[in-house]
Amino acid sequence: DAMVIQNPRYQVTQFGKPVTLSCSQTLNHNVMYWYQQKSSQAPKLLFHYYDKDFNNEADTPDNFQSRRPNTSFCFLDIRSPGLGDAAMYLCATSREGSGGYNEQFFGPGTRLTVL
Amino acid sequence: AQSVAQPEDQVNVAEGNPLTVKCTYSVSGNPYLFWYVQYPNRGLQFLLKYITGDNLVKGSYGFEAEFNKSQTSFHLKKPSALVSDSALYFCAVRGPYGGSQGNLIFGKGTKLSVKP
Repeated sequence: DAMVIQNPRYQVTQFGKPVTLSCSQTLNHNVMYWYQQKSSQAPKLLFHYYDKDFNNEADTPDNFQSRRPNTSFCFLDIRSPGLGDAAMYLCATSREGSGGYNEQFFGPGTRLTVL
Repeated sequence: AQSVAQPEDQVNVAEGNPLTVKCTYSVSGNPYLFWYVQYPNRGLQFLLKYITGDNLVKGSYGFEAEFNKSQTSFHLKKPSALVSDSALYFCAVRGPYGGSQGNLIFGKGTKLSVKP
């Protein structure tokens, strides 16, 4: 089945130690998103790639970076995690083009713990 | 700016009874509205969307939603609730732009609890 895969499902890191979360998709969608979701809150968009174009949300901290080496993969890098960065990180994809407003498909998420 | 409001933090329903989860929106231009469901420790699953056309939209798992332009609402409904429907439900709106500007804005979520 076509899907969005996130690895690892659970990640523990130390305060200030860089961490990378990965997302891959078999849907061949041209847009990939990263969301941060804190406990029982709405997902908050961090940034997204529209094809190769990177789009950062205005309030996303510089501590968060992303890479999309090809259509299928996208990475979230947290350069110096703080305690406040502990959250569920959700990757999503969608197929976008002229005139369409398509739903996003979400991965299962990676729960990040910062010690 | 686009926004959605989910006025209820929690909705409690008995199994077999109809359920409604409320959502109101505020957008400039035509709204594009979505409902997602999230089970514990899982990602969001798409339920249904309204883009244009019939005001009553049918989606997955027996859910439907009614778009009401005059009341700026998009309430989620199901005629007969199941215990397995218990989850967190998010309403979302997308702006009238395509491409990189048309990103989803989520409501704060409503926890649905269906008791046997």
